[in-house]
Amino acid sequence: NAGVTQTPKFQVLKTGQSMTLQCAQDMNHEYMSWYRQDPGMGLRLIHYSVGAGITDQGEVPNGYNVSRSTTEDFPLRLLSAAPSQTSVYFCAVRQGRTEAFFGQGTRLTVV
Amino acid sequence: TQLLEQSPQFLSIQEGENLTVYCNSSSVFSSLQWYRQEPGEGPVLLVTVVTGGEVKKLKRLTFQFGDARKDSSLHITAAQPGDTGLYLCAGGHPPGTYKYIFGTGTRLKVLA
Repeated sequence: NAGVTQTPKFQVLKTGQSMTLQCAQDMNHEYMSWYRQDPGMGLRLIHYSVGAGITDQGEVPNGYNVSRSTTEDFPLRLLSAAPSQTSVYFCAVRQGRTEAFFGQGTRLTVV
Repeated sequence: TQLLEQSPQFLSIQEGENLTVYCNSSSVFSSLQWYRQEPGEGPVLLVTVVTGGEVKKLKRLTFQFGDARKDSSLHITAAQPGDTGLYLCAGGHPPGTYKYIFGTGTRLKVLA
């Protein structure tokens, strides 16, 4: 029982490249979300989903796209990476309005 | 400016001291959660407070939700090195939604 799995754990991109951060859950939770965490800071919400086919923007959505075709997966796409997107990205899942469970994070560096 | 502001941003204390961390907002939240995050890991839930004025205790940690449900505090008694970490408050905003936002964080270091 893996819980929430994020891949990759580390990634270096060149400015302008695109990539997809993967998030998969085996908890059958309806709510999934993506956050970014900059050094020494709290988490900022990028996008979230309340179920398959339903997504919405968070606090800092610009430069990121998401889709949710299944309950299990919620990929985050960077369309054209910029140095300002260097950060640690966390995927979180929750059932209803209870505890959020987080993945281990993806550390992304854009050069 | 983030909706949930935490203070202080950094705190370094000696083992055995007491401390209080604050989470403030100008908006009402239906509930607030507190998480602790250790380096290289995702946040882990400590507690959820739901009712205005509610006080919850978790061993040496005491959590309080403000009467107006706009703020919360975390008090640690006799801090230990194992309490070291990043403390984050979080809540759904607008109230009752699944749009969960986090506070700015308080990084605590407890020295032995």
